[in-house]
Amino acid sequence: DSGVTQTPKHLITATGQRVTLRCSPRSGDLSVYWYQQSLDQGLQFLIQYYNGEERAKGNILERFSAQQFPDLHSELNLSSLELGDSALYFCASSVALAGGLYEQYFGPGTRLTVT
Amino acid sequence: ILNVEQSPQSLHVQEGDSTNFTCSFPSSNFYALHWYRWETAKSPEALFVMTLNGDEKKKGRISATLNTKEGYSYLYIKGSQPEDSATYLCASPGGGADGLTFGKGTHLIIQP
Repeated sequence: DSGVTQTPKHLITATGQRVTLRCSPRSGDLSVYWYQQSLDQGLQFLIQYYNGEERAKGNILERFSAQQFPDLHSELNLSSLELGDSALYFCASSVALAGGLYEQYFGPGTRLTVT
Repeated sequence: ILNVEQSPQSLHVQEGDSTNFTCSFPSSNFYALHWYRWETAKSPEALFVMTLNGDEKKKGRISATLNTKEGYSYLYIKGSQPEDSATYLCASPGGGADGLTFGKGTHLIIQP
């Protein structure tokens, strides 16, 4: 158990709908990252938040957005869903190591199925 | 955009044998290289973070080496056991705390 929690575990919804995925980082971690794992792709970095502020953007679609709240939990909002958005969505939080390095700890993921 | 590649894509190894696989990444603007182990139905688990050329890390029967000048890292597993069956991912960040760019992984199957 990494200490990162994600809800829900599974989500089934229809095309055109909107869903919200939730993540709570490990206690004390200020950074939250969102990743998408779809069938034909490796793990793709979507977006990162640090202490409530957006820090970095990866391959995140305009239909997707995220935020990090004062209690440091984060939500990933996916709207106008398409079949191709079906994927496993991971959240990770990071801890600083020596020398400016960071290690990311992954949550259990949310499996989204769009029908 | 970072391009991280792993080979082979999959690997079948007999129990007790040793094995290794490769991660390649751009050698310019290198910051760090991460290795993760991902078992089916679980989340990726951090194995190593490496940054220095020539660095070698070890955890039990698993070890990794890093060559930043030529842009590759090797992961070695000595005396493979069935519980080593997993997908092994390598990843590199753009900067220290940035999001990781992952390779597609090496899917390792240990055959009893």
